[in-house]
Amino acid sequence: AQSVTQLGSHVSVSEGALVLLRCNYSSSVPPYLFWYVQYPNQGLQLLLKYTSAATLVKGINGFEAEFKKSETSFHLTKPSAHMSDAAEYFCAVSDNTDKLIFGTGTRLQVFP
Amino acid sequence: GAGVSQSPSNKVTEKGKDVELRCDPISGHTALYWYRQSLGQGLEFLIYFQGNSAPDKSGLPSDRFSAERTGGSVSTLTIQRTQQEDSAVYLCASSQKTVSYEQYFGPGTRLTVT
Repeated sequence: AQSVTQLGSHVSVSEGALVLLRCNYSSSVPPYLFWYVQYPNQGLQLLLKYTSAATLVKGINGFEAEFKKSETSFHLTKPSAHMSDAAEYFCAVSDNTDKLIFGTGTRLQVFP
Repeated sequence: GAGVSQSPSNKVTEKGKDVELRCDPISGHTALYWYRQSLGQGLEFLIYFQGNSAPDKSGLPSDRFSAERTGGSVSTLTIQRTQQEDSAVYLCASSQKTVSYEQYFGPGTRLTVT
């Protein structure tokens, strides 16, 4: 069965600092992996997705993630945090059954 | 174009009452999904529609929960005899059936059972 683990329920960074949000997955088949962002009282917005085309995936708002099969990881990074990046971030995995299995989420705080 | 819409945005109901939650997917999207987001359980899959049929209902928590989709478009999630533990945000998503399985989410319906 597929599963996702997000290490760190809360991450705090200063504006301009590197953002690193961790995600490890478990899947018996080559996975599709996603990062979604949720702003307060809103739905989920897709940041980026991995579908086996390239291991380094670039998304919206300057975010990127690298798929590392040997580490079963798909960590999300951004070189320089902005105040507007404060939100909750969810990593998700999907096999060919279509449903998304989400991690527990990481709340990102950005301090000035 | 228009995104996924859900109604109502907020619903307060008394324990034991039935509620209906509506989802309008993106036009042309054949797949539709319901998820539930709650403090204790995180984001949970409930049910998936391909067209009007539901090949995966594995996430429905009890037989009080049901869903239907008509015309390959609008979907309704019904919760009968609501309980306090049903309080959550119910999210709907749709996707065009592609190999990327990218799902687009609506803003959700916040259900509070008093």
